[in-house]
Amino acid sequence: DAGITQSPRYKITETGRQVTLMCHQTWSHSYMFWYRQDLGHGLRLIYYSAAADITDKGEVPDGYVVSRSKTENFPLTLESATRSQTSVYFCASTRRGNQPQHFGDGTRLSIL
Amino acid sequence: AQTVTQSQPEMSVQEAETVTLSCTYDTSENNYYLFWYKQPPSRQMILVIRQEAYKQQNATENRFSVNFQKAAKSFSLKISDSQLGDTAMYFCASSSGGGADGLTFGKGTHLIIQP
Repeated sequence: DAGITQSPRYKITETGRQVTLMCHQTWSHSYMFWYRQDLGHGLRLIYYSAAADITDKGEVPDGYVVSRSKTENFPLTLESATRSQTSVYFCASTRRGNQPQHFGDGTRLSIL
Repeated sequence: AQTVTQSQPEMSVQEAETVTLSCTYDTSENNYYLFWYKQPPSRQMILVIRQEAYKQQNATENRFSVNFQKAAKSFSLKISDSQLGDTAMYFCASSSGGGADGLTFGKGTHLIIQP
């Protein structure tokens, strides 16, 4: 089924480990985004991308790395996970910047 | 930097009542868009309504409407004839860079519809 999918839906890992969250969309949307959702903060932008091979930092980029070698994929990597990165992560995409963003179902990441 | 403020952490109303959720924002941009998203317990982020800042007419979508006051930088959401399925977190958001630079979200309002 077409849309935007995130994997895994749940992940538990330990501090210091590397973990990659996947995001895949089938609409060929140009713009993709990563947000984290924490209690009391709403959603905050981590990184975004306007096209393949173009990425920019958002509000809270420290400790995260992204890549976008293909239009449809936008993985988010935590190179050395910390407890403060325990959160729910949302990927989103949109065809044009002035259109609403479509969100994936989120990944709940717990770092022990 | 943009900021979005939702001053009501939680609200509770009876089914069939009308409820208004408040949102104020601050931006230095001329070209921006405002959104309300709904997040039910399933965790999905669902678009409720979208407002283009250059349009004076308030957006409406069935039972949902906004009161957009550009000079006051206010963007409230009105839900008419509220239903049990409206129970959710509601997030107000504004775009930057014409939307290309991502959204800035408020902290959300937890809306509870009582039977």
